[in-house]
Amino acid sequence: DAKTTQPNSMESNEEEPVHLPCNHSTISGTDYIHWYRQLPSQGPEYVIHGLTSNVNNRMASLAIAEDRKSSTLILHRATLRDAAVYYCILRDTSGGSNYKLTFGKGTLLTVNP
Amino acid sequence: NAGVTQTPKFRILKIGQSMTLQCAQDMNHNYMYWYRQDPGMGLKLIYYSVGAGITDKGEVPNGYNVSRSTTEDFPLRLELAAPSQTSVYFCASGAVVGEKLFFGSGTQLSVL
Repeated sequence: DAKTTQPNSMESNEEEPVHLPCNHSTISGTDYIHWYRQLPSQGPEYVIHGLTSNVNNRMASLAIAEDRKSSTLILHRATLRDAAVYYCILRDTSGGSNYKLTFGKGTLLTVNP
Repeated sequence: NAGVTQTPKFRILKIGQSMTLQCAQDMNHNYMYWYRQDPGMGLKLIYYSVGAGITDKGEVPNGYNVSRSTTEDFPLRLELAAPSQTSVYFCASGAVVGEKLFFGSGTQLSVL
């Protein structure tokens, strides 16, 4: 299985940018990089995903390294509502099955007022 | 659009009891998933389905069963509840492989 590595926790101040890193050195050529977040006592929520090029949406930006072995989720201006666990996930293609999304432990983001 | 609906939200079971966790989606998604989340941990995939009549095991399928008779519904069955199955269960659905998943709000299950 292609795996991801994220820091256990990060801290940020309100209204400052946040860069959440993710390493995925064993990524395969057709693996998409997904980011989800989970607010306290809620189900995970989709944030963004990409394959090779950087991606932007209303929630965040995703910067993907040229060799695709790492990526960074960028929250441009953190708010208190962005405090959550952020998961970086690769679409699992092992065993010929490409339907799974395997979650790791994620990064707990704390936003200070 | 209700999205992904899970019932019940909370349940307490005694050891050895059985129950079915319900999951329904109204987005006509082919792909549906069941995850469990233990306290302080990430999500683990229990079972998934790529369409009506087709299911497959995830990382932690032991002690669970699923069925997918319709596109909308994907119930998860616990036959003989054990304390190790105390967890929060999330159902998710998606339209296209590799695209985003939509999650339900979860079922908190305690087995005592």
